[in-house]
Amino acid sequence: DARVTQTPRHKVTEMGQEVTMRCQPILGHNTVFWYRQTMMQGLELLAYFRNRAPLDDSGMPKDRFSAEMPDATLATLKIQPSEPRDSAVYFCASGPGQGDEKLFFGSGTQLSVL
Amino acid sequence: QQQVKQSPQSLIVQKGGISIINCAYENTAFDYFPWYQQFPGKGPALLIAIRPDVSEKKEGRFTISFNKSAKQFSLHIMDSQPGDSATYFCAASNNNAGNMLTFGGGTRLMVKP
Repeated sequence: DARVTQTPRHKVTEMGQEVTMRCQPILGHNTVFWYRQTMMQGLELLAYFRNRAPLDDSGMPKDRFSAEMPDATLATLKIQPSEPRDSAVYFCASGPGQGDEKLFFGSGTQLSVL
Repeated sequence: QQQVKQSPQSLIVQKGGISIINCAYENTAFDYFPWYQQFPGKGPALLIAIRPDVSEKKEGRFTISFNKSAKQFSLHIMDSQPGDSATYFCAASNNNAGNMLTFGGGTRLMVKP
């Protein structure tokens, strides 16, 4: 049963600390997305990779957020330094690409910054 | 700029009734319109999707109606069941812009037994 795996599922940290969220996309998928979900803003696109290359990160606060794909099986989203307003659920999604627009979401990382 | 507007924000329907959720979009370049279903503690999951070359698509109890001229599309859930209680998101993307999904604000559906 192929699925997108995200770790950790929950993270509580203090303001100013670095946070790293990890995502293992579905094997064979060549598009990876990071979304942030909050009650106020809904689902916001943060970053988008195709074949591990970053194509769009316009929705991401550049001063504190960074997204990378060190290899095809791992995508990371880092926040440094974290702030209370970063508290949200962060989702990773992967898709087959190549004209197939379906996206498969992980279960998310619930981040609380105190 | 909110490119996909969804309504209502919340909806309560009796078991067996029809649930209707509406979305409107602004970008005429959008060419793929999926609906996602999200249960608490889970990520959104693709429910059904439509392209603008058809006006309706049905899969089981779920139907998308699409009105290209009005730039609107809607999800109809027939014979709604308590197990359908979830948050539903419409979305849209443009194949020429990398297929990045823009989501509506979501509708929290509750189906009362």
